[in-house]
Amino acid sequence: SAVISQKPSRDICQRGTSLTIQCQVDSQVTMMFWYRQQPGQSLTLIATANQGSEATYESGFVIDKFPISRPNLTFSTLTVSNMSPEDSSIYLCSVKGSVSYNEQFFGPGTRLTVL
Amino acid sequence: AQSVTQPDIHITVSEGASLELRCNYSYGATPYLFWYVQSPGQGLQLLLKYFSGDTLVQGIKGFEAEFKRSQSSFNLRKPSVHWSDAAEYFCAVAEADKLIFGTGTRLQVFP
Repeated sequence: SAVISQKPSRDICQRGTSLTIQCQVDSQVTMMFWYRQQPGQSLTLIATANQGSEATYESGFVIDKFPISRPNLTFSTLTVSNMSPEDSSIYLCSVKGSVSYNEQFFGPGTRLTVL
Repeated sequence: AQSVTQPDIHITVSEGASLELRCNYSYGATPYLFWYVQSPGQGLQLLLKYFSGDTLVQGIKGFEAEFKRSQSSFNLRKPSVHWSDAAEYFCAVAEADKLIFGTGTRLQVFP
């Protein structure tokens, strides 16, 4: 399985600011995913990021709020823009495994608190 | 759209007792099913997966799960729970390239 790291591991931010979260994988992967886990909730997919193309956003998530970059096959960033307390969540990135059955491996997550 | 239901929000067991966490899915064809565990402050770790074949699948940490098509279920089991198993458990089903997660079951283990 891939080894995935995220930076920062946690942050406390002020309302109205933006935070960029980095996701680094130790091997080249085609598809990377960004999820949000609100307090006490399950995971919700924000978007799918493929290298060389625009990210595909799920219903309820827009590029202006959650811009994503995917400059190469091992790295992606998610920005949470113009933050409000409702954005306080854990943000996780994941990658598809090498086996073609849609298993995904997750990074440790970024715990974001917005004041 | 597919969905996953985990009926039990919170389960408490004594250490050494057996465990069964329930998961029901809705999907027309043969699903790809997963169980993940999330320990406090950690990311998600894949416990096991079902794609096809033998309906009883073995995973890591002594966990197993059984796929029952007739009941649309994929319940997770462990014969003897350890205190370190206290965590949040998520069942998930694949929909194209995406994973659809259940709401999770929080497992508490008493000594």
